[in-house]
Amino acid sequence: EVQLVESGGGLVQPGGSLRLSCVASGFSFRDYSMNWVRQAPGKGLEWVSHITAPSRTTFYADSVKGRFTISRDNAKNSLYLQMTSLGAEDTAMYYCVRGGSSGYYYYWGQGVLVTVSS
Amino acid sequence: EIVLTQSPATLSVSPGESATLSCRASQSIRNNLAWYQQKPGQAPRLLVYGASTRATGIPDRFSGSGSGTEFTLTINSLQSEDFALYFCQQYNNWPPNTFGQGTKVEVK
Repeated sequence: EVQLVESGGGLVQPGGSLRLSCVASGFSFRDYSMNWVRQAPGKGLEWVSHITAPSRTTFYADSVKGRFTISRDNAKNSLYLQMTSLGAEDTAMYYCVRGGSSGYYYYWGQGVLVTVSS
Repeated sequence: EIVLTQSPATLSVSPGESATLSCRASQSIRNNLAWYQQKPGQAPRLLVYGASTRATGIPDRFSGSGSGTEFTLTINSLQSEDFALYFCQQYNNWPPNTFGQGTKVEVK
């Protein structure tokens, strides 16, 4: 069974930093691209970042480019999102999502909440 | 960036009736469209991909159709567990993958 378990969320002050983690199990992590998708309270879904499997090429939404860094550790079956210069607009539930060859998202984690507030 | 517009924002339907949800793309995305269902406090669940292929375990009362810029998700004989939020997502031109703003299906 595919499982994606996020951690690292919490309350952070504006301008602060936070690192999210996602531990994957039930599939060969190294063979799949991975994503972070977020959802602000009461809002829709926003793709945040993508990292490919073999080359670890990364992509970012314009809203986070230059502030967020996605990375992975295949030995630990883990995905990360380093977030800096956080603002209120970054307050959201962040989901770890397994990618695929096509681009739709079959497997989602349960999400981790990030709240940016003073 | 491709913009997806979902309509209506809210759909009020009685149990047992059918619901038709619309998703329009700002440019052609061929059939590279997925639909997701989200219930309060839960992660989204993939319902349909390739515009019309049901994901594993999805009941056949859910059906997707369309191509190009116009897409529809139809839910026949609505069950209590179907009242939820529904999003469409395009994956034809990425990054970024983009989502519609959602349609809430509520009990009439």
